[in-house]
This record gives sequence, C-alpha cells and structure tokens, in this order.
Amino acid sequence: DAGVTQSPTHLIKTRGQQVTLRCSPISGHKSVSWYQQVLGQGPQFIFQYYEKEERGRGNFPDRFSARQFPNYSSELNVNALLLGDSALYLCASSLDGGAGDTQYFGPGTRLTVL
Amino acid sequence: GNSVTQMEGPVTLSEEAFLTINCTYTATGYPSLFWYVQYPGEGLQLLLKATKADDKGSNKGFEATYRKETTSFHLEKGSVQVSDSAVYFCALIESNFGNEKLTFGTGTRLTIIP
Repeated sequence: DAGVTQSPTHLIKTRGQQVTLRCSPISGHKSVSWYQQVLGQGPQFIFQYYEKEERGRGNFPDRFSARQFPNYSSELNVNALLLGDSALYLCASSLDGGAGDTQYFGPGTRLTVL
Repeated sequence: GNSVTQMEGPVTLSEEAFLTINCTYTATGYPSLFWYVQYPGEGLQLLLKATKADDKGSNKGFEATYRKETTSFHLEKGSVQVSDSAVYFCALIESNFGNEKLTFGTGTRLTIIP
C-alpha cells in the first residue's frame, strides 16, 4: 500500500503570499495531522482532523487553516506568509487518531519564504 | 503542558559501539511514548513505541523501556551501524479530550563512523 503522500515537494514563496499544501493519507486512515518542523527543531503540532472535523489545534496564528475532504485527504493553507513560516511541513495519518494509535508521516513539503 | 527533553547532540560513535540516547518526559497523565527516526532528506519514520509503564518497544536492534518512576524512555542499541546515522526524535502522545497530538523533543543527530 502507498504511504502518506504530500505535494508539492518544495515550494518557494515571497512574503505576504498565500500557500496551499496537500496531503493524502494511507488508505483506510481517517485522521490527518499537520506539523511544522523548523530546521534543527522537533516538529510542532498545527492541526488534527478526524472524519472531516477539526479535533485539535496547536499554538499557531489564524493565518494557518486546514480542512479535510470526504476522501480523507487534507489541505493546509497559510495566508500572509512571513519569513518565519519557512519550514518543513509534515502530514501524518492514523486510523482514528487515538492516543495509542501510530501516526505515519509523509515526506513533507519544504516551504521557503523569501 | 506536556514536554519531552532529549539528550543534546550531535552524537558521534564508531561502528559497533553501544548507543544510548536519553529521553525524559513531563505529562499530566499516562502518555504513549515513541521514538521516530529521520534519515537525511526523508520524513519521519516510527522506530518503536510503548503504550504503558514497563512496556519495552523494540525494532531493528533498538530498544526503549517505558519507565514511569523516572519518566524516561531512553533509546539503546548494542552495536550501531553506519546506516543508523540519522536524527532521532523522542515523542509522546496523551489523549486530551480527543486532541491526540504528538509532542516531540528537539531531536538528536547521530553520526556513525566506520
């Protein structure tokens, strides 16, 4: 089976622009989470979605938004980009997002903001 | 809130050496604990996990035991190989009214020299 896929692989934007990142979960997984990994740091939680509903949100500004579609794929949107938004954005999927459930990560989208 | 503290890196070892990467955590309840590995240019891969106290997770020669009394989950391997060179992340997940987010440490970069 295919793992978690993300697109695009790399993206370069300028300050003030908007960006949309996409994620397709493993087949059968209903929960998708998004994380931001700044160079040299551990990933930071942004959002979790389960069955198309937002289940959790991390400490990120309202410029960050996400949604999950009926096929369980997900998009992460970031508006009014800042230089500090440059990072690797990781998507993870799991069966139902429970505490003992394993989250499987995609390869990430590397966003560079100039 | 929850937090994970990892051994500072980078760590450099010779092939066949014994490896320990320390990890301690702070959590209000009874989290599940994970070690993830990130190889150069790739996303995160689950290495092992433990979901309750005294459980031992193991995979690819790596082991970690969930120690509730010392709030620790140290990663060990008896004989490392060059192919083990990567960044290792300790993480926890604690169910919080449906918001099952992973909290990561800052990562430990491991380099194995032949």
